[in-house]
Amino acid sequence: NAGVTQTPKFRVLKTGQSMTLLCAQDMNHEYMYWYRQDPGMGLRLIHYSVGEGTTAKGEVPDGYNVSRLKKQNFLLGLESAAPSQTSVYFCASSFQTGRVPEAFFGQGTRLTVV
Amino acid sequence: DQQVKQNSPSLSVQEGRISILNCDYTNSMFDYFLWYKKYPAEGPTFLISISSIKDKNEDGRFTVFLNKSAKHLSLHIVPSQPGDSAVYFCAASALSYGQNFVFGPGTRLSVLP
Repeated sequence: NAGVTQTPKFRVLKTGQSMTLLCAQDMNHEYMYWYRQDPGMGLRLIHYSVGEGTTAKGEVPDGYNVSRLKKQNFLLGLESAAPSQTSVYFCASSFQTGRVPEAFFGQGTRLTVV
Repeated sequence: DQQVKQNSPSLSVQEGRISILNCDYTNSMFDYFLWYKKYPAEGPTFLISISSIKDKNEDGRFTVFLNKSAKHLSLHIVPSQPGDSAVYFCAASALSYGQNFVFGPGTRLSVLP
């Protein structure tokens, strides 16, 4: 049981380049999330999805786009990378319930934009 | 302005002693709280949670206390073990936010042998 898998684990981009981060979960979770972690800031929600075909903005969505074409996959795109997007990115997933459950996280993607 | 604060960036404790990690929040609508533990190069993993209808929840060596009037929660680890050395994140949510959590900045715990 792989849980939540993120690819790639590391990436260096030049300013202005684009890339897509892939998140895959095998737990049949409805909810999926993309967070970024910066020193002293904790984890901040970028975008999330409450089900296949739906996405919504989180706390820091600017400069990112997402897609949830399949229930098990949640893609995070950077169309034109900026140094401010240097961060560690975490994907997470959780069940949809009437009450808030815990989320399961991937191992993270360390992105450096130079 | 951070809605969830962990004012101690780091904490060192001797093995076998108690570790107390603190978390304060500003939004009175928060009604569900979680603690996550994170090792280097890994994603956060769920540790323990508490609903606002309770003031205490225990799971083995881990106990979370909630003081709603003070908007404060704490995580107690007794006894502390070297394997507990990690970054601990406090997270809060409100039913009106759906399942979106607001995370604190984390506290790095070092348990010394």
